[in-house]
Amino acid sequence: DSGVTQTPKHLITATGQRVTLRCSPRSGDLSVYWYQQSLDQGLQFLIQYYNGEERAKGNILERFSAQQFPDLHSELNLSSLELGDSALYFCASSPEGRETQYFGPGTRLLVL
Amino acid sequence: AQSVAQPEDQVNVAEGNPLTVKCTYSVSGNPYLFWYVQYPNRGLQFLLKYITGDNLVKGSYGFEAEFNKSQTSFHLKKPSALVSDSALYFCAVRDDSSYKLIFGSGTRLLVRP
Repeated sequence: DSGVTQTPKHLITATGQRVTLRCSPRSGDLSVYWYQQSLDQGLQFLIQYYNGEERAKGNILERFSAQQFPDLHSELNLSSLELGDSALYFCASSPEGRETQYFGPGTRLLVL
Repeated sequence: AQSVAQPEDQVNVAEGNPLTVKCTYSVSGNPYLFWYVQYPNRGLQFLLKYITGDNLVKGSYGFEAEFNKSQTSFHLKKPSALVSDSALYFCAVRDDSSYKLIFGSGTRLLVRP
């Protein structure tokens, strides 16, 4: 157990809908990363937050957004969902950013 | 741009035999390299990392990795494979500016009894 928690574990929804994925980092970790794992794209970095502020952005679609709250948990919002958004979404955390990232169990999203 | 490559989609090895999972990297500065393992329906678990220092890095579950600067490689090794080592293995390099991880395509390790 890495100490990073993600909810929900599974999510099934329809095209056009909006969902929110939640991540709680390890105790004391200030940095949160979001990654997407899909069959065709592999593991891709989406976005990073550090102590509430966005620090880096990767291949994140405009339909997707994220935030990190004062208690350091983070949410990834996915809207206007398409079939191709079906993937495993991982959250990872590290103390500040330079250190090892520890991953949560992921949220498996299926868009029908 | 930084990248890693895992040339083998799958590695098959018999239990008790040594295993090697290959990874090569391309970076503009000092490489910060990682290995993660993913078991079915589980998240990524950290195995080991190379930041600086000894070229042979020891990690969890008996795994080790050899950093070779001249060959730009960071191969994962284990002297004696277990059936329970069967999983998907990812090599990654850390981006210097954003600290994001850039992953390889993954190698599926199958250890047969």
